[in-house]
Formats: sequence, C-alpha cells, structure tokens
Amino acid sequence: DTGVSQNPRHKITKRGQNVTFRCDPISEHNRLYWYRQTLGQGPEFLTYFQNEAQLEKSRLLSDRFSAERPKGSFSTLEIQRTEQGDSAMYLCASSGAGTVSGNTIYFGEGSWLTVV
Amino acid sequence: SQQGEEDPQALSIQEGENATMNCSYKTSINNLQWYRQNSGRGLVHLILIRSNEREKHSGRLRVTLDTSKKSSSLLITASRAADTASYFCATTAAGNKLTFGGGTRVLVKP
Repeated sequence: DTGVSQNPRHKITKRGQNVTFRCDPISEHNRLYWYRQTLGQGPEFLTYFQNEAQLEKSRLLSDRFSAERPKGSFSTLEIQRTEQGDSAMYLCASSGAGTVSGNTIYFGEGSWLTVV
Repeated sequence: SQQGEEDPQALSIQEGENATMNCSYKTSINNLQWYRQNSGRGLVHLILIRSNEREKHSGRLRVTLDTSKKSSSLLITASRAADTASYFCATTAAGNKLTFGGGTRVLVKP
C-alpha cells in the first residue's frame, strides 16, 4: 500500500494553456475524489467516482474542467484554457467499498497549480 | 459551500500543553473525520468518529462528537513542536463526499 499518488506535484502554466493531473488511488479502493484547496481555506469538493462512474460533480467544476477514470483505477483531471483563478492545490483522495459511516478517506500530497 | 466551522481559527501554545479545537456542522452526518495538514502538503487522516459514537481515542488524540449540538472537538494532549499544522474537520452526509471546515492553524512553540 503506497498511498494515494498524485503527479505532477507542481505545475506552472501560462494562462490559456491546458493542464492535466493524474491520481493513482490506493489499490482496490473503488471510490475516488477530487478536491481543490486555495491558501488558507479548507478543501472544496469537485467530483467523485465510484469505479469508473462519475457519480457527482460540484458546481465548482465548470465546463473547462473534466475528470475521467476510464478503467476504474487511476483518474485524470484536466483543466482547459486555464485562468489565474484556477491557481490552487488539487487534491485526490480514495476510499474503499465499506459502509459510508466507517469509510476512511485518504488523501494524496496534492498537485499545486500556478497559472501565470 | 463549507459544512463546518472550526474554532478557534488559530491557536498558539507551548510544547507540552494541550490543544483543543472545536468543529461545528450544519446537517445530519454519517461520520466526522479529522485531518492534519502541514504547510504545502496533503491531508493526513487522524481519526474517524461515526455518528453513533461519542468519543474516540488514538494515541495523544481524543475526539468527541455531540450530534445534538452538531459539534465535535479534537484534543491533542502533551503537544509537540511537530504537531504544528492546520487541522480540519470534515463530515460525510448522504453520499460519500467529505465537506470540510476552514481549519484551525495550530502553532506549538518549543
């Protein structure tokens, strides 16, 4: 068990460019989550997968954002036409198939995005 | 929108003292989880307490949950400089996603 893995850890991009982040969840975890966190704030929910199905999307996830989990294992989060307001840390998390009440959710180290 | 609010927003204590922080939330929950975050790093899971539990311990951590008041507290006993971090509570309600508060920034001075 190597934990939730995210890459790249840091990305600096010019406004208008596309960026993609990858998340590898803990093996055998069927639930995968994406969050966004800005400085001094708590993480905000973006989207959630159970296996390959994207079950919930936040209103924060504009049309420029797309997330996939094609084979129910790793996931990608793509941001198209980046804006300076997209600068944040993007966190991925995963959890197992247990009951919701007892389900610990584990986070990765996050991917920092800076849009210049 | 964020579900909960942590109180205080910031806390400064001396090494060896206890640190207590509180979390309030708005809706019914399935569980509440506490996380620690060092500056610029990801979130480290500390403890999960189910809605039908009132208290849990893990090492130097003690968490209480009062569902009638929609509040939880995290106590860190005998704090160490390494406990310096931000601490977040997060709740799980219907569905599986966590909803976070704004966090408590704890500074433990050696």
